Amino acid sequence: DGGITQSPKYLFRKEGQNVTLSCEQNLNHDAMYWYRQDPGQGLRLIYYSQIVNDFQKGDIAEGYSVSREKKESFPLTVTSAQKNPTAFYLCASNQGRTDTQYFGPGTRLTVL
Amino acid sequence: GENVEQHPSTLSVQEGDSAVIKCTYSDSASNYFPWYKQELGKGPQLIIDIRSNVGEKKDQRIAVTLNKTAKHFSLHITETQPEDSAVYFCAAYYGQNFVFGPGTRLSVLP
Repeated sequence: DGGITQSPKYLFRKEGQNVTLSCEQNLNHDAMYWYRQDPGQGLRLIYYSQIVNDFQKGDIAEGYSVSREKKESFPLTVTSAQKNPTAFYLCASNQGRTDTQYFGPGTRLTVL
Repeated sequence: GENVEQHPSTLSVQEGDSAVIKCTYSDSASNYFPWYKQELGKGPQLIIDIRSNVGEKKDQRIAVTLNKTAKHFSLHITETQPEDSAVYFCAAYYGQNFVFGPGTRLSVLP
């Protein structure tokens, strides 16, 4: 059963804490992406990675960090430097830049 | 950079009627335009896409049209059903990444 998995589905964090969101894909896709979605808004790109051990900042990278040590995994860390982290986070992947992006089910992060 | 506008932001139709959502993009270099459907609390699912060398594409009750000259593309859903109720996003591929529209919340009333 191929696809993209994200965990956990819901995540609660206290202010000042770092938290890591998991994203795994078994589609053998080269590229992976992280988006943030706020209520009533479109998707905004946080980070993306075209190949293993390489990644680039998106439009709203401040307060976030990523790693790409394996092709199938692209974890996102929300650091305490992110001023407003409560949001719905979506991971996506595709084979090449112009190919269709497929999305995971998302992680809803709430800062208490 | 690319900017994608999407209208309307909300749309209510009676079951069985058609629904049309329109997106406009700013950069003529964009060449790939997918449409996604997102149900509450879930990730977006691709429903149809179109590339710049094609003017129209259909898949059962769903169709997408592209006007490169005017730089806009539209999603058409015919014979709407309650399960079509969701948020729909358009996107345009530009440079190295996709730019998404703000979404349209479609409600199909029984």
